[in-house]
Parts: sequence; C-alpha cells; structure tokens
Amino acid sequence: QSVLTQPPSVSAAPGQKVTISCSGSSSNIGNNYVSWYQQLPGTAPKLLIYDNNKRPSGIPDRFSGSKSGTSATLGITGLQTGDEADYYCGTWDSSLSAGFWVFGGGTKLTVL
Amino acid sequence: QLQLQESGPGLVKPSETLSLTCTVSGGSISSSSYYWGWIRQPPGKGLEWIGSIYYSGSTYYNPSLKSRVTISVDTSKNQFSLKLSSVTAADTAVYYCARLLRLLGFDYWGQGTLVTVSS
Repeated sequence: QSVLTQPPSVSAAPGQKVTISCSGSSSNIGNNYVSWYQQLPGTAPKLLIYDNNKRPSGIPDRFSGSKSGTSATLGITGLQTGDEADYYCGTWDSSLSAGFWVFGGGTKLTVL
Repeated sequence: QLQLQESGPGLVKPSETLSLTCTVSGGSISSSSYYWGWIRQPPGKGLEWIGSIYYSGSTYYNPSLKSRVTISVDTSKNQFSLKLSSVTAADTAVYYCARLLRLLGFDYWGQGTLVTVSS
C-alpha cells in the first residue's frame, strides 16, 4: 500500500486530454515538492515534472503539473500513442525525524 | 551529459547480501545540489525508494528497509554503492540508481539492473 494514492489506470483517445491524480497528506505532498515520472515499457523512469509544475529541458508543454493542498495532478494534452506508459508521482515525506522519499503506486495510461 | 550505470551480480542467494555500485560519469558526485539514490521495482510492480546519500555521507533510508540497507559514497571514484543484507525472493527487482535534485525530483536515472534472489 503506497503512501501516495494514484488511480490504477486511466484511458483516453488520441488528441484528447487526461489527468492523473496523486493524493497524499500534510507530511508529504502538503509540505513538499511533487515530481512526476513516465515509464515506458522496459525502460527506466523519466522525469516529466519536478518542483510541482516545472518541466525539465526537452519535455513538451503537453505535460503539466499542479498541486493543491495534499493532492497533485499530472495533465497530458494532445494525447499520442507514444504516451502509453506508467506514470508515477513522488515526493519527500517528513513524518519521521529522518525524512524519506515516497512514490505513488503508479497509473497505467492507455491511449485508445 | 550525465550518465549513471549500475553494476553488480545479477543473482544472489537467499540470506546473502546484495551489493551494487553506481558509477557516475559526465558530472561530479560531489556537487552540493544533489543527493544520489537507489530505487527498485519488483517485476510487474511499482517503484520503491530504497535510500539516498549526500556526497558528505549523510544518508536517508526507507523505514521499511532501514535495518538491512547501507548506502555509501566514494567521491574519489565518483561512485555510490548499495548493500542489502539478508535478502529473500521478495528482494528480486530491477534496481535503479538515480540523481535527486535537492528534494525536487530524480532527474537522471541509470538503465537499471535486474537482481534475482534464488538458490
């Protein structure tokens, strides 16, 4: 059971928009920065969003991140078949004296 | 371009210690802006953070693995290492090393290495 809760799967048609949610608590999302990762089959995860809503160089602006309270959302517009992947959110958790990093359980995106 | 490469045995016997090394090239492991970490992914499952280390040697561990994990850094070789003791089949996973930009996100990842625990 992950500390961060994501829907197991989402789907949408090519060209459409999809959002993936990530729900946490005040000890993690509520007081720390959220990042999002894309994992294509058989490959290492790739950073899509960091610091809640910033995109690394090379990540298209079709990908966006937002945070409100203890939840975060990844948005993907103009869906392409190449976006089919697993998506993970992650953040620091400060609930213990020594913090620790947590990932969501992952969301499988299907582009119909 | 920064690159990270995991190395170590692909097969470990139950109850033994899993040892992996991550070699960083194209950048210094001693940069003050970054932590370095290990993440694993059991077959067909999600990502699990194992722990992270700063170049000074400060470490942070997953509470659920803390009793079995040691992460160390060798700045002279631009490497950091993972030791996981008393392994069982549940520790079978692809192990990734990655760079953590302060606490903002893991921005560079190794390709991953599959470690199987089996006799």
